[in-house]
Amino acid sequence: AQSVTQLDSQVPVFEEAPVELRCNYSSSVSVYLFWYVQYPNQGLQLLLKYLSGSTLVKGINGFEAEFNKSQTSFHLRKPSVHISDTAEYFCAVSDLRDAGGTSYGKLTFGQGTILTVHP
Amino acid sequence: EAGVTQFPSHSVIEKGQTVTLRCDPISGHDNLYWYRRVMGKEIKFLLHFVKESKQDESGMPNNRFLAERTGGTYSTLKVQPAELEDSGVYFCASSQVNELSYTFGSGTRLTVV
Repeated sequence: AQSVTQLDSQVPVFEEAPVELRCNYSSSVSVYLFWYVQYPNQGLQLLLKYLSGSTLVKGINGFEAEFNKSQTSFHLRKPSVHISDTAEYFCAVSDLRDAGGTSYGKLTFGQGTILTVHP
Repeated sequence: EAGVTQFPSHSVIEKGQTVTLRCDPISGHDNLYWYRRVMGKEIKFLLHFVKESKQDESGMPNNRFLAERTGGTYSTLKVQPAELEDSGVYFCASSQVNELSYTFGSGTRLTVV
């Protein structure tokens, strides 16, 4: 079974400061890792994903995340945040499943981290 | 391209009533997923369709929930009869075959009173 722990439920930060949102996962198989963001009154939007290759993954809006297999972590970082980054962020893990000859991923989400950027 | 569309965006119903949520995936996406977030909890998987076939419904809470996907296009999720604990945000997502990352809809916020 897979699980995801987001270590901070809320992160307040001032504009232009750096931020790190922490995510740890557990899984018995190879995993694929994602960060999604939900802006107020909107759906979930993919920020970035790690499937294979380089452990440093760059996403949209200046965010990046580093996959650390030994520490089973996938922390999200941004060097300088903006007011518009205020949102809820979700870390998720997926394994690869077979469905009649095709593959799909079933996401397991963390509890979410509310990032609030203050002026 | 149009995104994943969910109807309605909000629904308030009384305990014991029936509610039907609808999801229109991105055209050409064979994979369709339903997820739910109950207040204060994490987002959890409900079920997965490949075209019109249910591939995995391990997350469906009980038999009050019925999901269908007509002709492999849009999907509906019916809750009958609704209970207070069914309140939450129901997300739909879709993806192409063999694609691991999804496109999510904006969700339907269901409140059962």
